[in-house]
Amino acid sequence: QVQLKESGPGLVQPSQTLSLTCTVSGFSLTSYSVHWVRQHSGRSLEWMGRVWSDGVTSFNSAFTSRLSITRDTSKSQIFLKLNSLQTEDTGTYYCARSYLSHGLPLFDYWGQGVLVTVPS
Amino acid sequence: DIQMTQSPASLSTSLEEIVTITCQASQDIGNWLSWYQQRPGKSPQLLIYGATSLADGVPSRFSGSRSGTQFSLKISRLQVEDIGIYYCLQAWRTPWTFGGGTKLELK
Repeated sequence: QVQLKESGPGLVQPSQTLSLTCTVSGFSLTSYSVHWVRQHSGRSLEWMGRVWSDGVTSFNSAFTSRLSITRDTSKSQIFLKLNSLQTEDTGTYYCARSYLSHGLPLFDYWGQGVLVTVPS
Repeated sequence: DIQMTQSPASLSTSLEEIVTITCQASQDIGNWLSWYQQRPGKSPQLLIYGATSLADGVPSRFSGSRSGTQFSLKISRLQVEDIGIYYCLQAWRTPWTFGGGTKLELK
């Protein structure tokens, strides 16, 4: 069955770089796009970026120059790196799969999320 | 960026009630809107895509509608398992943007 699972450190110091891994199973990264979404304080959701099935990436301009998303298709893993972390980067980070149903995009599977804290 | 204004922010309601949540898009997004439910401590789950299409396995008491740039999610008879936070998402333009969420609580 389809699964996505995020992993990474729960605590990152200010100004450091966050590195997260999303490990997927049950589908191929060459057939689906995978996105990163973060959630602040259990409420607002923010789309960060995605890697398309062909490997092309696109990002939310709010993270321009701080964010990179890469993948290793042989390991079924997607990697997020966010540098220059600040306290406002505290939140739960999700990876999610998207596809087009009748030409309309949707998120059909989400990981469990990983809580990242940037202390003040 | 496309702004999604979701209302109400919270709603205290009773079982078997009809619940309606709306999202107003700041520009035309066609039917590129989906709705998600997030139960406490869980990841979001897809309810509706394409503004009106029910996702597989979602109870028929959930429905979506569109009028221009205003979108609505309706729960016809609220059940206890429907408690949580609901979000709309537009995927017409990058960056994809979510509504602020509607928290459903029981009276």
